[in-house]
Amino acid sequence: QVQLVQSGAEVKKPGASVKVSCKASGYTFTGYYMHWVRQAPGQGLEWMGWINPNSGGTNYAQKFQGRVTMTRDTSISTAYMELSRLRSDDTAVYYCARVLTTVTPASGYWGQGTLVTVSS
Amino acid sequence: EIVLTQSPGTLSLSPGERATLSCRASQSVSSSYLAWYQQKPGQAPRLLIYGASSRATGIPDRFSGSGSGTDFTLTISRLEPEDFAVYYCQQYGSSPPNTFGGGTKVEIK
Repeated sequence: QVQLVQSGAEVKKPGASVKVSCKASGYTFTGYYMHWVRQAPGQGLEWMGWINPNSGGTNYAQKFQGRVTMTRDTSISTAYMELSRLRSDDTAVYYCARVLTTVTPASGYWGQGTLVTVSS
Repeated sequence: EIVLTQSPGTLSLSPGERATLSCRASQSVSSSYLAWYQQKPGQAPRLLIYGASSRATGIPDRFSGSGSGTDFTLTISRLEPEDFAVYYCQQYGSSPPNTFGGGTKVEIK
């Protein structure tokens, strides 16, 4: 069965960077795009971008351009999302989410989420 | 960027009642690339509907999606206790960003 297991909670100071990992199992990692979505406390969902694990190609939401980097390590079936120059309003739960199928890019499988707290 | 507006913000209903949730897009959503997710407190979202009207695996048939173009609807025919949650629509068409609506909370009346 498809499983996405994310790294643990992080506390960072403003201006720092954070790197969240998402380890995939139960399927061919390179076969399905991975999205990253975040959710600030008490707020809605915000799409950040996607990575094609096969090619490494990425597409980021304009809001995060220049601050976000999505990468992957195919040898360990893990996707990463790094966000730099953190601000207090980056405090959120960050989710990785795999597309449902190769032709249905809705997010059918989700990680458990990683809480990133940005505080001085 | 396509903006999705969900209404109402909160829906107060009793178990057994019918819930109708709306999602309106600022531009036409291509190929009905419209999904609905359910989220309960402390949990990750769960995909309910994709392609505007196709139920994801394991989703009960009391959930149904409809619509095209700019107007989409999620209907829960008879609310069960476990259906009280927040629901989000998302467009995932060919042009990013893959925006989400602001959500509709379905609460117990």
